[in-house]
Amino acid sequence: QSALTQPRSVSGSPGQSVTFSCTGTSSDVGGYNYVSWYQQHPGKAPKLVIYDVNKRPSGVPDRFSGSKSGNTASLTISGLQAEDEADYYCCSFAGGYSWVFGGGTKLTVL
Amino acid sequence: QVVESGGGLVQPGGSLRLSCAASGFRFNIYSMYWIRQAPGKGLEWVSNIRDSGSSMYYADSVKGRFTISGDNAKNSLYLQMNSLRAEDTAVYYCVRDINFSFDIWGQGTMVTVSS
Repeated sequence: QSALTQPRSVSGSPGQSVTFSCTGTSSDVGGYNYVSWYQQHPGKAPKLVIYDVNKRPSGVPDRFSGSKSGNTASLTISGLQAEDEADYYCCSFAGGYSWVFGGGTKLTVL
Repeated sequence: QVVESGGGLVQPGGSLRLSCAASGFRFNIYSMYWIRQAPGKGLEWVSNIRDSGSSMYYADSVKGRFTISGDNAKNSLYLQMNSLRAEDTAVYYCVRDINFSFDIWGQGTMVTVSS
């Protein structure tokens, strides 16, 4: 159960778009369309922002979008806002009712 | 919502039981999870129990030491943690699974394993 690989940090200016990558293997990201993304502000619990690779829960702005190609999933935030500054974690089903998370990416809004 | 309790300071080798009280939804029709986060670190899946407690699953790091259980009558989830190690130090979140993603998280309860 190795962790998914995420860049440690990403930055962008307000109004810009940023993309986070999440790389796994054919046993997790590449093998299932059960990739989800979570936003976590300091001291708070994570919040679901994308599920099933590219679906948004009710209440999540359409500025958030997800995709997948092979063993790599991506989260894109367009029209960056100050309140988007947070840590972002990807997660994938890994078979046998096991799950694997990425190490997280810290988003800085410049 | 879900509310965790039971965290605290425990010595290495000790035991602790975490509880999670669910409200606003029928606990026994969802799979429920424990997910932890060590200080300054990322998220780690720990264990989950399928609806109605039919099956339980564990990460390799806790297998044989932790036991997940649920009480449908009390709408509650538990995690019995034995043989605790320093590396088990983390905030433990109780989480609801909605079709292979996690939509409801508690505020977390801190477990510190230290002498």
